[in-house]
Amino acid sequence: SQTIHQWPATLVQPVGSPLSLECTVEGTSNPNLYWYRQAAGRGLQLLFYSVGIGQISSEVPQNLSASRPQDRQFILSSKKLLLSDSGFYLCAWSVLAGEGETQYFGPGTRLLVL
Amino acid sequence: AQTVTQSQPEMSVQEAETVTLSCTYDTSESDYYLFWYKQPPSRQMILVIRQEAYKQQNATENRFSVNFQKAAKSFSLKISDSQLGDAAMYFCAYRSAWTSGTYKYIFGTGTRLKVLA
Repeated sequence: SQTIHQWPATLVQPVGSPLSLECTVEGTSNPNLYWYRQAAGRGLQLLFYSVGIGQISSEVPQNLSASRPQDRQFILSSKKLLLSDSGFYLCAWSVLAGEGETQYFGPGTRLLVL
Repeated sequence: AQTVTQSQPEMSVQEAETVTLSCTYDTSESDYYLFWYKQPPSRQMILVIRQEAYKQQNATENRFSVNFQKAAKSFSLKISDSQLGDAAMYFCAYRSAWTSGTYKYIFGTGTRLKVLA
């Protein structure tokens, strides 16, 4: 069965510091991968998605970036964090299965920027 | 662009009773999927149920069922025999058409469900 991991689970970082959040998927090949951010009391905002190694699409202009160095690894990064980067970050995966494709989510990373 | 609206920020239900969460959406597409996800206090998003727009029959998963009204663009979730473990934030999501190698999901702002013992 497929599983998705995210780490760290919780992170407290000072403003201006760098960021690296990691997401890995097991039990599947060539998944589509997604990064979402959930601000307090709000829905999910799609940040990035990737349909293959090295292929990244950005949905929202920001100081965050994403990379996909391996098929089942998706990394969210920042060179300098802002206060507004605080939130809950969710990684999701899906595998094209015709019309039945569905996204499945990881456990998330809670980021607090102080 | 597609939008998803959940107009109930919070709902309460007595244990063992039935509750319905509302969701409306706006789209010009004819084929699409709709989903309900549950986010418990652990904050991991869990798929509850999904509905294919071209299917007239409402989807059902155990105690969870949907009322899909395509013409009205309404997609409500009914939880029967509510249990304490159903307490969570529920998100309605719309899956848009295939574009640039992927589907995109648009989420509502969520409804917090409280289950009273």
